[in-house]
Amino acid sequence: DTGVSQDPRHKITKRGQNVTFRCDPISEHNRLYWYRQTLGQGPEFLTYFQNEAQLEKSRLLSDRFSAERPKGSFSTLEIQRTEQGDSAMYLCASSLVYRGSNGYTFGSGTRLTVV
Amino acid sequence: DQQVKQNSPSLSVQEGRISILNCDYTNSMFDYFLWYKKYPAEGPTFLISISSIKDKNEDGRFTVFLNKSAKHLSLHIVPSQPGDSAVYFCAASPGMNTGNQFYFGTGTSLTVIP
Repeated sequence: DTGVSQDPRHKITKRGQNVTFRCDPISEHNRLYWYRQTLGQGPEFLTYFQNEAQLEKSRLLSDRFSAERPKGSFSTLEIQRTEQGDSAMYLCASSLVYRGSNGYTFGSGTRLTVV
Repeated sequence: DQQVKQNSPSLSVQEGRISILNCDYTNSMFDYFLWYKKYPAEGPTFLISISSIKDKNEDGRFTVFLNKSAKHLSLHIVPSQPGDSAVYFCAASPGMNTGNQFYFGTGTSLTVIP
């Protein structure tokens, strides 16, 4: 197992375009999280799934954002009508339901730049 | 509202000396804390954790201290090595297996000078 994979690593898009990111968690992990990190800030929680069910969404996740995890394995995060304020690193993480002492395992992130 | 705060954006330390990174939190419901380390262009990686039933946890060169009354924790790295140069994030959660998100601080960029 190679850990949590995110694709693409970098995305540059024009304002108003839609973008979609993919996350492949560690295979036996049934929880999957999306975080966003902007410059000079720590990661901020967006949403999480347990298997295919989206159980919590942050108020940061506006109606332009949608996340899915259709078969309880990989997840996608879509941003519609991107704005310059959406420019950030989007981090995916996964864990077992019982996290244990090690928290999550993060992927390397997708850096989005909206121009 | 920043519930986890790291007030020092950066820290420089000579190789071999001690690095002390500080973190404060405001939410008294937090009882599980972690430190993550982040290199450029990589995601955060878990470093060390502590639950509120302890006031100290040690793992090799890394020790985390928790002062619940002050709502303060610190990470000590002894001795510091150039490979420790990275951004360190403090994170908190209401329980090791409860709560669905971690609340992160803004990070401290550590530079260890050879």
